[in-house]
Amino acid sequence: EVQLVESGGGLVQPGRSLRLSCAASGFTFDEYAMHWVRQTPGKGLEWVSGITWDSRSIAYADSVKGRFTISRDNAKNSLYLQMNSLRAEDTAFYYCAKEDVVGAAFSGAFDSWGLGTLVIVSS
Amino acid sequence: SYVLTQPPSASVAPGETARITCGGNNLGSKSVHWYQQKPGQAPVLVIYYDSDRPTGIPERFSGSNFGTTATLTISRVEAGDEADYYCQVWDSSSDHPDSVFGGGTKLTVL
Repeated sequence: EVQLVESGGGLVQPGRSLRLSCAASGFTFDEYAMHWVRQTPGKGLEWVSGITWDSRSIAYADSVKGRFTISRDNAKNSLYLQMNSLRAEDTAFYYCAKEDVVGAAFSGAFDSWGLGTLVIVSS
Repeated sequence: SYVLTQPPSASVAPGETARITCGGNNLGSKSVHWYQQKPGQAPVLVIYYDSDRPTGIPERFSGSNFGTTATLTISRVEAGDEADYYCQVWDSSSDHPDSVFGGGTKLTVL
């Protein structure tokens, strides 16, 4: 069974940094592209960033480009999101999601999701 | 950037058929994926590649995508189908990949 467990969320002041982690299990992690998707409480879903299985291709939403950095450690079955220069509008649940096709990237569905970790940016 | 438009709400009586639309420019040329999200839970993939059903999703869920509109159809609606539903596509029109979600449709089972 696929499991994705996010951690690292919390309350942070504007302008500060936070690093999210996602621990993956139940599938061959190094075969799949992985993504971060966020959701402001009570609002819709917003794709944040994605990374190919081999980290050779990375993409970001315009809203976070230059501030957020996605990375992965296949040896540790882990996905990360380094968030710098945080703003109030970054307040959201952050979900880790797996893309559905082996080796594919930026073309498929998000077939497994974690439960999310809440990031609150406030002074 | 690419925009997907969904009605904010829909309602249906138990046993009836719910149809939730997702509109976008030339949407029929893209693969559309649909997610169900119940309160306090993570999204769940219910339809992918326009009309395929992941393992474990009931046959009552189906999808189509033609022209500028994709449709998620839920037949014989049950109380447990009450949830928010989101469509999603990948847009490659800019210099970098971008995934886009619709604004979501809240389905109420009367």
